[in-house]
Amino acid sequence: QSALTQPASVSGSPGQSITISCTGTNSEVGGYNYVSWYQQHPGIAPKLMIYAVTNRPSGVSNRFSGSKSGNTASLTISGLQAEDEADYYCSSYTSSSTYVFGTGTKVTVL
Amino acid sequence: QVQLVESGGGVVQPGRSLRLSCAASGFTFSSYGMHWVRQAPGKGLDWVAIISYSGSDKYYADSVKGRFTISRDNSKNTLYLQMNSLRAEDAAVYYCAKEPGYTYGFERWGQGTLVTVSS
Repeated sequence: QSALTQPASVSGSPGQSITISCTGTNSEVGGYNYVSWYQQHPGIAPKLMIYAVTNRPSGVSNRFSGSKSGNTASLTISGLQAEDEADYYCSSYTSSSTYVFGTGTKVTVL
Repeated sequence: QVQLVESGGGVVQPGRSLRLSCAASGFTFSSYGMHWVRQAPGKGLDWVAIISYSGSDKYYADSVKGRFTISRDNSKNTLYLQMNSLRAEDAAVYYCAKEPGYTYGFERWGQGTLVTVSS
């Protein structure tokens, strides 16, 4: 149950687009379309942003989008805004019927 | 609206036990799987355990298997985590989270309860 690999940090200027990667194996990310993404601001519980690779829950801005290719999933934030500055985590269902999170990515809005 | 409220955290000595609770409201608790997820101070999210809607199926992270037990009381709309043989590395904020039902993941989260393991 090793954590999925994410870049430690990603930054961008307001209005730009950024992409966060999440790399695993075919036992989780590559084997199932059950990758989800979470946003966490300091001291606050995480919030679901993307589920089942590409789907946005009601109320989540359409500036957030997800995709997957092979063993790597990605979260793209377009039109970057100051409020997007937070930590982001991917997660996947696994072949052991368990779950695993990514290492987390700190997004900084310059 | 969905509300999850954790309780039971505190300071405990290594090797001792603690039971966390998660009171659920705003949805039909007995219809959804529930998770425990933890986050050590300044660290990332770490999945702990899941229990099915009926309580019949339970899965654990390797790091807690044999020491932690997840359970639920659907008549009380409450999720539990019994933590035994606690170690320093178990210190974290523990969140309960609701499964979406339509997919796999963590749809709603509680505010968390802090567990400190120290002698």
